[in-house]
Amino acid sequence: GQQLNQSPQSMFIQEGEDVSMNCTSSSIFNTWLWYKQDPGEGPVLLIALYKAGELTSNGRLTAQFGITRKDSFLNISASIPSDVGIYFCAGPTGTASKLTFGTGTRLQVTL
Amino acid sequence: NAGVTQTPKFRVLKTGQSMTLLCAQDMNHEYMYWYRQDPGMGLRLIHYSVGEGTTAKGEVPDGYNVSRLKKQNFLLGLESAAPSQTSVYFCASRTWTGGYYGYTFGSGTRLTVV
Repeated sequence: GQQLNQSPQSMFIQEGEDVSMNCTSSSIFNTWLWYKQDPGEGPVLLIALYKAGELTSNGRLTAQFGITRKDSFLNISASIPSDVGIYFCAGPTGTASKLTFGTGTRLQVTL
Repeated sequence: NAGVTQTPKFRVLKTGQSMTLLCAQDMNHEYMYWYRQDPGMGLRLIHYSVGEGTTAKGEVPDGYNVSRLKKQNFLLGLESAAPSQTSVYFCASRTWTGGYYGYTFGSGTRLTVV
């Protein structure tokens, strides 16, 4: 099946720093979704992207839909401790729009 | 509160035992999904349903069965649990309104098979 590769796998940053992560696919996606998962919880949607080249922000988060439709990027500016968690990219595929998830980027923020 | 509720939250099974995980949603969503999450592998789709009375296999269906007798409930069954089924299981439901995907995830069931 389709695979989404995320990098980096994990990041250790200091509070206040900016963060960048990306997601790449071997095939085209028409929608990119970015989720955050807190410990012991299910994924929560952060940003949804629906058009190639689209740049969308949600507070300190900005995500971009790559023009090749095979990649997407998520940036977090001025990180804070509550940004800690695992960030997943995902794309719906097939007639039932089943989500394919990336492998995740684990973010740790130190004071 | 509207959302997806999963029960139980935790369970320990012995190899060979059976159990059923329940997912309930009160948002009148047609689509429901069961995923498993293992360390470093993201979430993988086990089974899904596009409506009451319908189910289909996902990426990793072996060892699991599902039923959708009522629109609001999606059950995941393990007939004979194996240690390889130790994982965190997430249920999700989906709507499509106004051109936007609206997936809602439950908080998960942590299953350990010993």
